Amino acid sequence: EDKVVQSPLSLVVHEGDTVTLNCSYEVTNFRSLLWYKQEKKAPTFLFMLTSSGIEKKSGRLSSILDKKELSSILNITATQTGDSAIYLCASKTSYDKVIFGPGTSLSVIP
Amino acid sequence: GAGVSQSPRYKVAKRGQDVALRCDPISGHVSLFWYQQALGQGPEFLTYFQNEAQLDKSGLPSDRFFAERPEGSVSTLKIQRTQQEDSAVYLCASSSTPEDRRTNFYEQYFGPGTRLTVT
Repeated sequence: EDKVVQSPLSLVVHEGDTVTLNCSYEVTNFRSLLWYKQEKKAPTFLFMLTSSGIEKKSGRLSSILDKKELSSILNITATQTGDSAIYLCASKTSYDKVIFGPGTSLSVIP
Repeated sequence: GAGVSQSPRYKVAKRGQDVALRCDPISGHVSLFWYQQALGQGPEFLTYFQNEAQLDKSGLPSDRFFAERPEGSVSTLKIQRTQQEDSAVYLCASSSTPEDRRTNFYEQYFGPGTRLTVT
């Protein structure tokens, strides 16, 4: 059965801290790893990772995929209160099926 | 341009009632997904369409759940004889124009969801 696991499930940090969120997957016909940010509404897309070892960056967020270890990390540097959200990791199969993990709930306190 | 829209945004149903949830994907998107998201959890895959074809319905929790996309655009998720455990947010997402597929670009866009409460 396809599954995506994330850790930690919740995290509380102070503004300015750097955080690393973990994702691992066991999926048949894996094609890509996706990261989303979800606040009090629908998830918004952050990254799609297809190739191992190539970091993707967007501002203070970065992510990398390790296909050998079937895992990915999402880093957020210099966290701000606006980064408080649930971060969802998902795997995409060759025919577009997307399986989500449970999410990591990040709270950034001033 | 318009994003993915869903209606109704909120639905309260009495146990045993049938409900129908609608999703309008982004125009031209080939793929359409339905997810169920319980409070504090990630979205759970329900079903997936490519155009009008339902390619995967392995996530539908029971035969009370039925989804269709007859003309390859708007989709409806129907839940018959609702139960309290059906209470959740139902998210619809769409992705992939034919051009996106050709260039291997991918981004999945979510609608705002329908919050279903079964009393």
